[in-house]
Amino acid sequence: EPEVTQTPSHQVTQMGQEVILRCVPISNHLYFYWYRQILGQKVEFLVSFYNNEISEKSEIFDDQFSVERPDGSNFTLKIRSTKLEDSAMYFCASSEFSEAFFGQGTRLTVV
Amino acid sequence: GIQVEQSPPDLILQEGANSTLRCNFSDSVNNLQWFHQNPWGQLINLFYIPSGTKQNGRLSATTVATERYSLLYISSSQTTDSGVYFCAHTTSGSARQLTFGSGTQLTVLP
Repeated sequence: EPEVTQTPSHQVTQMGQEVILRCVPISNHLYFYWYRQILGQKVEFLVSFYNNEISEKSEIFDDQFSVERPDGSNFTLKIRSTKLEDSAMYFCASSEFSEAFFGQGTRLTVV
Repeated sequence: GIQVEQSPPDLILQEGANSTLRCNFSDSVNNLQWFHQNPWGQLINLFYIPSGTKQNGRLSATTVATERYSLLYISSSQTTDSGVYFCAHTTSGSARQLTFGSGTQLTVLP
């Protein structure tokens, strides 16, 4: 069964460093998303991407975040200068129409 | 925005018991989904159920869109059912991003 895959599964980074989280969405899907979940809290929307551009973004998605689809299969989230409060589980998701499917997540720890 | 209330917030069951989890919405919602977040943090799709009833093994879900709620039924619970159950919906219009509820933490004891 097709699935969304994310790498790495865990990443530890120093405060102020840049990180890139990677995702391979399901191949025939057209809509891509990033969500995050701070430990013990609910899942929050960050950004959606369609037709090679951002279609929606939340107020969490400020200038330190960016997304890219560098080739036909990968979808990346970059955090330019990480802060302690960026520590969270980051989920990539994709959808063909309405139902979204999530990857297994990348647990980011900023120290 | 639309308020999503999930109940109960916590639930402890003995293995083999049945349970019902509920999502209430303050307004009409689209594209309702139920997820199970397992102890490793993975979000597992359970149901895409904007309306009606669906069943998948021991799990079933019902959404009554006109009355703004959805129910998830778990029958004959197993310890592997433990985790957090989230409902999520998209808002109206062209927006496709999901808004998640706060979840129900389910613990199934052996």
